Amino acid sequence: GQNIDQPTEMTATEGAIVQINCTYQTSGFNGLFWYQQHAGEAPTFLSYNVLDGLEEKGRFSSFLSRSKGYSYLLLKELQMKDSASYLCALKDSNYQLIWGAGTKLIIKP
Amino acid sequence: EADIYQTPRYLVIGTGKKITLECSQTMGHDKMYWYQQDPGMELHLIHYSYGVNSTEKGDLSSESTVSRIRTEHFPLTLESARPSHTSQYLCASSELRESGELFFGEGSRLTVL
Repeated sequence: GQNIDQPTEMTATEGAIVQINCTYQTSGFNGLFWYQQHAGEAPTFLSYNVLDGLEEKGRFSSFLSRSKGYSYLLLKELQMKDSASYLCALKDSNYQLIWGAGTKLIIKP
Repeated sequence: EADIYQTPRYLVIGTGKKITLECSQTMGHDKMYWYQQDPGMELHLIHYSYGVNSTEKGDLSSESTVSRIRTEHFPLTLESARPSHTSQYLCASSELRESGELFFGEGSRLTVL
């Protein structure tokens, strides 16, 4: 079967760094996405990884290890506006997106 | 900036009513989707489409229908609303390429009494 696991909630301090992990099990893999979703709003795209390694985009970076079924989203220089849920989603062998339940990130001053 | 619009944003209706949630995008995307999401939960795929005259069922499709007569328009219809349909409905679109990210509308929050 297919399964995605993310921590339910994390707390971090403004200005710090936080890493949100995502582990998955799937019979086929065609890429992994990270989305940000503020409360009551729609998800917005953050990153896409299909090959192993780190993709950096400003304060946000995403890492993928296909052999380990593992990805993480790294957020640096945290700001209060980064308080949101972060959704991990993988594209399976049929190119359909399988979504995790999301990690709620709480930023404290 | 994404150009995908959903109406209505909020709807409160009684049990048994027929409703249609509208979704339009101006990006020329071939692929469109409808998702259902409850607070703090994952997105569940209801229906999707690869293009005009293409519609496919997702995990939660049994109580709703969609149509894709035009590229830009992908309405979702509930023939007989029930309280269990109370949820947030999100429409999204993407290019057909593998790395094509989804662009989401602002959502339609439905309450069935």
